[in-house]
Amino acid sequence: EDQVTQSPEALRLQEGESSSLNCSYTVSGLRGLFWYRQDPGKGPEFLFTLYSAGEEKEKERLKATLTKKESFLHITAPKPEDSATYLCAVQGRGSQGNLIFGKGTKLSVKP
Amino acid sequence: NAGVTQTPKFRILKIGQSMTLQCAQDMNHNYMYWYRQDPGMGLKLIYYSVGAGITDKGEVPNGYNVSRSTTEDFPLRLELAAPSQTSVYFCASSYQGQGVNNEQFFGPGTRLTVL
Repeated sequence: EDQVTQSPEALRLQEGESSSLNCSYTVSGLRGLFWYRQDPGKGPEFLFTLYSAGEEKEKERLKATLTKKESFLHITAPKPEDSATYLCAVQGRGSQGNLIFGKGTKLSVKP
Repeated sequence: NAGVTQTPKFRILKIGQSMTLQCAQDMNHNYMYWYRQDPGMGLKLIYYSVGAGITDKGEVPNGYNVSRSTTEDFPLRLELAAPSQTSVYFCASSYQGQGVNNEQFFGPGTRLTVL
């Protein structure tokens, strides 16, 4: 059974304090690992797709990496506007596109 | 481009009532999805569609129905609302199901309460 576990559930950082969010996954034939950002009361906003181990993608202060068992979302020198819930999802072989989501990590960045 | 739009934003239903959640996309995406998000839980897939006229069940389809008569629209129907259907509902779309261009884009959500 495809499964995604995110840790920690919540993370509080001071502005400028870099850290990482973890996404561990079990999937039959990875077809993509996705990171989304979700603000309160809004829909998930697409950030990155990673397809194979060793792949990395960056966007502003965010960098996503992928191994065969987990993905990390590294946040460098975060700002208060980076506060949100970050969701990880996987797509496995045989799926018609549907994603399996983790429960998310709620990030708070204090000024 | 409006992207993925959903109506209504909020709705309160009484037990046993019916309603349709509307979803539309203007990106010419083939694939469309309905998810529900409960507090503290990951998004769960209700139904999906790979193109006009083709729909299939996801992980939690009981109590819901869908149709896809056009590429743009993918309404979700609740026939007999139950308190267990209290949730936030998100519609999403993607150009492809797998491979390149398979990222899903989400609408703003419909918050539904069943009392």
